[in-house]
Amino acid sequence: EAQVTQNPRYLITVTGKKLTVTCSQNMNHEYMSWYRQDPGLGLRQIYYSMNVEVTDKGDVPEGYKVSRKEKRNFPLILESPSPNQTSLYFCASSRTGTGSSYEQYFGPGTRLTVT
Amino acid sequence: AQSVSQHNHHVILSEAASLELGCNYSYGGTVNLFWYVQYPGQHLQLLLKYFSGDPLVKGIKGFEAEFIKSKFSFNLRKPSVQWSDTAEYFCAVNDYGNNRLAFGKGNQVVVIP
Repeated sequence: EAQVTQNPRYLITVTGKKLTVTCSQNMNHEYMSWYRQDPGLGLRQIYYSMNVEVTDKGDVPEGYKVSRKEKRNFPLILESPSPNQTSLYFCASSRTGTGSSYEQYFGPGTRLTVT
Repeated sequence: AQSVSQHNHHVILSEAASLELGCNYSYGGTVNLFWYVQYPGQHLQLLLKYFSGDPLVKGIKGFEAEFIKSKFSFNLRKPSVQWSDTAEYFCAVNDYGNNRLAFGKGNQVVVIP
């Protein structure tokens, strides 16, 4: 089944404790992206990757890191989480970058709480 | 950068009522337009999309949207809603220059049985 998976689905952590949220897709998509969803703000892009070893900042990259060493994986790293990073995070992928017409497929989301 | 506006963030209506959600984007040129739906506790799913051709697009579950280029709009409609349409709806527009999808802030729709 074609899908985007994320782990963990739920995470409660404390300020400053490094964490990684994994994202994997099995559709051989080139483009992957991370979003955060906050009430009243919709989805805001954190980072995206056009292909392996190619990443770039989105709208709200501060406090986050990403890497793209393999085509299928695009982990999101919070080196020192803070309470303002409490949010619902979605990973998405598409066949190519959004310069083309391809839709994005979304993962199930990771609900992160930083205390 | 492209921006997307969705009005009436909270919509409450009864079953069988008609639904229309507005979506406006900031500038023209070639655009690809999407409506995504997020049911409670679930991830975003594609409802419909417009790439080119007929500006009236039909999607899943009886939804349709009309692209009006002169108005920079892509409004979503459903003639008769059901309780199961309770969800949050997001309009998105591709932002070619920045390799991203620009999302609106969403419409929270509650359908009362």
